[in-house]
Order: sequence, then C-alpha cells, then structure tokens
Amino acid sequence: SYELTQPSSVSVSPGQTARITCSGDILAKKYARWFQQKPGQAPVLVNYKDTERPSGIPERFSGSSSGTTVTLTISGAQVEDEADYYCYSAGDNNLGVFGGGTKLTVL
Amino acid sequence: EVQLLESGGGLVQPGGSLRLSCAASGFTFSNYAMSWVRQAPGKGLDWVSAISDGGDVSYYADSVKGRFTISRDNSKNTLYLHLNSLRVEDTAIYYCAKEPLDYWGQGTLVTVSS
Repeated sequence: SYELTQPSSVSVSPGQTARITCSGDILAKKYARWFQQKPGQAPVLVNYKDTERPSGIPERFSGSSSGTTVTLTISGAQVEDEADYYCYSAGDNNLGVFGGGTKLTVL
Repeated sequence: EVQLLESGGGLVQPGGSLRLSCAASGFTFSNYAMSWVRQAPGKGLDWVSAISDGGDVSYYADSVKGRFTISRDNSKNTLYLHLNSLRVEDTAIYYCAKEPLDYWGQGTLVTVSS
C-alpha cells in the first residue's frame, strides 16, 4: 500500500502565502488532488492533476509538483481559507489513498 | 446541478450489516466511476472503495476487502455499499463521490457499537 505524508498543521497570517506539502513515492508517477474540508462539511476538490484548478475555485489556490512531493499554495490566504486540507492519489492498482490532513490556521 | 444523497446509515452492533445508498442526479451517472470515502469522528479521510462506470470493475481498501461490497444500478442512478461483519472501527461518516472526486454527498453516519 502507498502512503502520503502531510504536516499536521500550518499557520499563516491573513494575506500571507500558505504552502502545504504532500510527500509519497507514488507521486513521482501519479497525479495528486487536493481537498479542502471545513468543519461539518463535505470535502471540496480545490486542485487536481497536480496543477489544475476546478471551476469556481479562487485563483489564489495553486498546485505544483516536484519528484515525490506536491505542494498546494494559497497566495494571500484569507480567513475563510482556514480548514483541513487533504492530498489524494491512486496507485497502479487503482487503490486510493489520502494524506493524513493538514489543519490550516489563518490568523 | 450535480447532487449526491446518501442514506442507510444508522446504529448497528458489531458483526452486523448495513446497506448504504447514494442517489445521484444532475449528471449522466452511467458515464462516471464512483467512490465511497469515510471519515471516523475527528479523524481524516479514508478511501474505501470505487467502481467503474459500467459496474464491472471494483476496488477496495485492504481494511474492508472481503467485508464490504460496492455496486451500482445505472437504471436507478444509484450507488450502493454493502457493509458486512462490521467492526467498531468502521464507525464513520460515509461519503459517496463522483470521480474524479469532484462532487460529494453530505454523508451518512454509520455507528458500530454494542
């Protein structure tokens, strides 16, 4: 089975850039997706295929990839971006795996 | 508008069974693979299972393989998850999601407790 590793927490002040990393061997050959989850709500896809942003997601959300690490960058983070963020990928066997999640604090 | 509505959750004793349903609307259901993802109370997301658009191929996390069965009825636009031999650690909110996990339902809570 595969593992994806994320920092447990990231903290920034409003207007600063937040970067959340996700590492795992599978990321060298498979795309990653990123999800935002606010308390009591279902997850929302904010990034896919490493760098693509779904329609309706603010431009301040961007993704990048290098080797076995992908990064979700929130440029000019806002208070409403405070949430849990999860990376996800699926291996050659089509079994999905989520990272452990990162709690983003914006204050 | 894409909508996914889960149902079927509830309280069940260890060793018991449940069938979850996910009613889909707003898109051509038979054109998309579907997945189930769960989240234990206060914990992270946990991928459970996925099924191909035609329903002929399915995949399972090791933790549920042999106990859970995913299926779909494209004539009814409905996805199912049959949960057998339930364990306390299966307690979670179960979400259905349309691939590529771009739309999610609001989830249904499964509680396994004696």
